[in-house]
Order: sequence, then C-alpha cells, then structure tokens
Amino acid sequence: AQSVTQLGSHVSVSEGALVLLRCNYSSSVPPYLFWYVQYPNQGLQLLLKYTSAATLVKGINGFEAEFKKSETSFHLTKPSAHMSDAAEYFCAVTGRAGNQFYFGTGTSLTVIP
Amino acid sequence: GAVVSQHPSWVICKSGTSVKIECRSLDFQATTMFWYRQFPKQSLMLMATSNEGSKATYEQGVEKDKFLINHASLTLSTLTVTSAHPEDSSFYICSAKIDASVHNEQFFGPGTRLTVL
Repeated sequence: AQSVTQLGSHVSVSEGALVLLRCNYSSSVPPYLFWYVQYPNQGLQLLLKYTSAATLVKGINGFEAEFKKSETSFHLTKPSAHMSDAAEYFCAVTGRAGNQFYFGTGTSLTVIP
Repeated sequence: GAVVSQHPSWVICKSGTSVKIECRSLDFQATTMFWYRQFPKQSLMLMATSNEGSKATYEQGVEKDKFLINHASLTLSTLTVTSAHPEDSSFYICSAKIDASVHNEQFFGPGTRLTVL
C-alpha cells in the first residue's frame, strides 16, 4: 500500500526566502512521486515528478525535489519564494502497477512580502 | 499536450435536481479517468475510477446511485449528481491517465464548483 504524509499544513515564508515543503512516503514497491500545486478554485497543476530516472528532479517555476530512499522523503524546495508561489501544494504517490493516486493532506504556502 | 477540460466550471442548482459534469481529455485518449471530491481546505478524495466501456469502480462510502459515472468514449467521462442536496456542494475534479503512460501520471481538469441550494 502507498501513502504520503505532508508535515505542516501551513508554511509561511518571506519573499525571497527558501521554500521547503515536506513529504514522506510509504510504499511497498518503488514509487512514482508527484508534487502538484493548486491555486484557489482551480485544478491541480503538475510541478514535477519522480519516476526513478534521477533522484534530483527539477520542475516548473524554479521548484525541485530530491528523492531520498533512505529517508523515504520527497521534499519540495525553491531557493527564493515569490508572491505568486502562494498556493496549496499536494504530494502524491502511485505504485507502478496500479492507477490510484494517494494524495497528502496538502500544505498551504503563504509568502509574506 | 495532455489537457483535460471540465464543464461546467461552476453550477448552482436547487435541491432535488440532477447535475451533470463533463470531463474531457482534449488531446489524448484516456481509457481511465478519475473523479475526485475536494472539501474546502482539504485534500482530494477519490470517488471513483471511470473505465471506458465498463462500469466505474467506486471507493468505499461513495453512493453509486447518487454519483452516476458514464465513460462512453475514450475522451469523455461524465459524473451525474442525482437528486442533489446541499451536502453535495463541493469542488469536483476529474483527472485522466494517458493510455500509454508508463508512470501512471494523471492530468487534472480545472474542477467544477457545485453549489446546491
């Protein structure tokens, strides 16, 4: 079975500061991992995904995430926060055999000017 | 590429009426689509997996007769909320998986905001 845990339902950072959103996964098989961003009243937009090709994954809008098997983590980072990064972020995992996505509970990112 | 649309983007209806929400994959074929429900400030809850040409697979606790799913073609799935009540008010999001996908990636629609008065 797969699951993800997002530590911190709310994260606030100053504009220009480092963004770190945490995601830990549980999977009985090598997982595929995803980070999505959701703006108010919109669907989910894919930021990046881990599919075992490389442990450091670069995504859109300057975000990146590193897959660490030893820590079962896939934390999302961005060196310098922009006001436009304020949104809800979801981590998700899926097994290689199945279709179903398992979403974390989400982290709301606030960027303080 | 890999665009999923939903229609309508928002709908307001009276209690007791039925509402149909469409989910379309615009530039790819999707044998499998998914319907999620999202309450305010919460994560997505998978309601059902929609399979083209066969019956949908519903998650535990989701009423099949209330949330009718039809996947009539490789690019269209519909969710009909029958006899809607105020507690059905929510944000409904669909997603689709590319048939040839090797990573199980899902592409999400923009969502439909349903308000039942």
